Order: sequence, then structure tokens, then C-alpha cells
Amino acid sequence: QKEVEQNSGPLSVPEGAIASLNCTYSDRVSQSFFWYRQYSGKSPELIMSIYSNGDKEDGRFTAQLNKASQYVSLLIRDSQPSDSATYLCAVKNRDYKLSFGAGTTVTVRA
Amino acid sequence: EAQVTQNPRYLITVTGKKLTVTCSQNMNHEYMSWYRQDPGLGLRQIYYSMNVEVTDKGDVPEGYKVSRKEKRNFPLILESPSPNQTSLYFCASSIQGVGELFFGEGSRLTVL
Repeated sequence: QKEVEQNSGPLSVPEGAIASLNCTYSDRVSQSFFWYRQYSGKSPELIMSIYSNGDKEDGRFTAQLNKASQYVSLLIRDSQPSDSATYLCAVKNRDYKLSFGAGTTVTVRA
Repeated sequence: EAQVTQNPRYLITVTGKKLTVTCSQNMNHEYMSWYRQDPGLGLRQIYYSMNVEVTDKGDVPEGYKVSRKEKRNFPLILESPSPNQTSLYFCASSIQGVGELFFGEGSRLTVL
């Protein structure tokens, strides 16, 4: 079982719609969770971090965490063509390791 | 400008020829790490360093070495590269925590 799994995508949404990205993790003691965005040919950049159960909103992005279900998600509201990218879920495990999912590629159709 | 700088950005080499990918950050970050990114496998951690002279293995350390003699530099060494080390490599650093990483631009390595 992979440590971090994401819905494989690709995910195509129309402009203005909500894009929903899902991520599950295997290590129950994980405490810190992150979403990175990676444009094609570029390096990943941090867009959200979440540490407590519930929702965390930052502009058009909302991260949701459910530790009991070992599930973290990212919602992108009012999707724009500039949101077209691969989104990486990352989970901090014990021993200062950060494990990444394989990523979900999102395409926003104008 | 705050940045993580990797060199070289692109390299084609042959099996067995030792090479070093340099990484330098100007943000006084204590934590640094190397990742490789392969299609379908995502980012996998090779080595990380919590501070000067403190390094530890990530998930895929075989075939790689690192050193952390200075806070700003964290080179990745491939003593005897093999074709399965053909990949896109990222160096990253962090000050606030392991997960809030700042990435370099990446180094694309091809081993023939």
C-alpha cells in the first residue's frame, strides 16, 4: 500500500466550476498535510497546509482534513485556466520524512 | 531574491561516470532535502538533512550520497550512475517545518 494515494485523474473541469481533489494516507500518526501545485516543466510550490481536522480556506482554495478517515482533500472554487496544473498531496510522517502522492492533473476548460 | 539554486539544470552522462548535482539556498534554512520525480511515481525522497553534518536516508537512497558541510549547500553525488537514475531531481529547503518546502528549479539527468 502506498503511503499517500491520490485520485489519478486527469481531472477536467469547466471554467468557473469546482475542482475536487482527494488524497488518502496510510500512516495513522501523520500530523501535517500539504498541497503543492506544479505547473508543467516547473517545480512544485506550496499552496496549502493543514494540521487540524476540518476545513481551511485560503482564497479560492479549501483544504479539508479528516484524520479518522485518513483523508485530505483540496477544493478549487471558481476554477480558472491558470489553475491547470498537477496537484501533489504531501504528508509528513514520523522521522521528518515528507511523502508525496503521484499527483492529480487538473485541466480547466475555458 | 530568496531561492534554491541547482546545477546543472540538464545533464546527459554515461554509466559509471561520477557526477555531482549542487544545491545552494540563500534563506538560512536548516532543513534541506533531495527528491527525484518519475512519471507515475511522484516525488520520492532520496536524502534529507536537518542541519549541518546531520543527514539521513529517505525512501530511495540507493546509489546516492550527500554531504552537508555548510548550512547553505547540500550536494547530491552519484558515484557510479546507472540508467535507472535517469530522472528529474529537485532540491528543497525549509525553515518552518519539514512540509513547507521551497523547491529549486530541478535538474534533469539522463544516464546512457
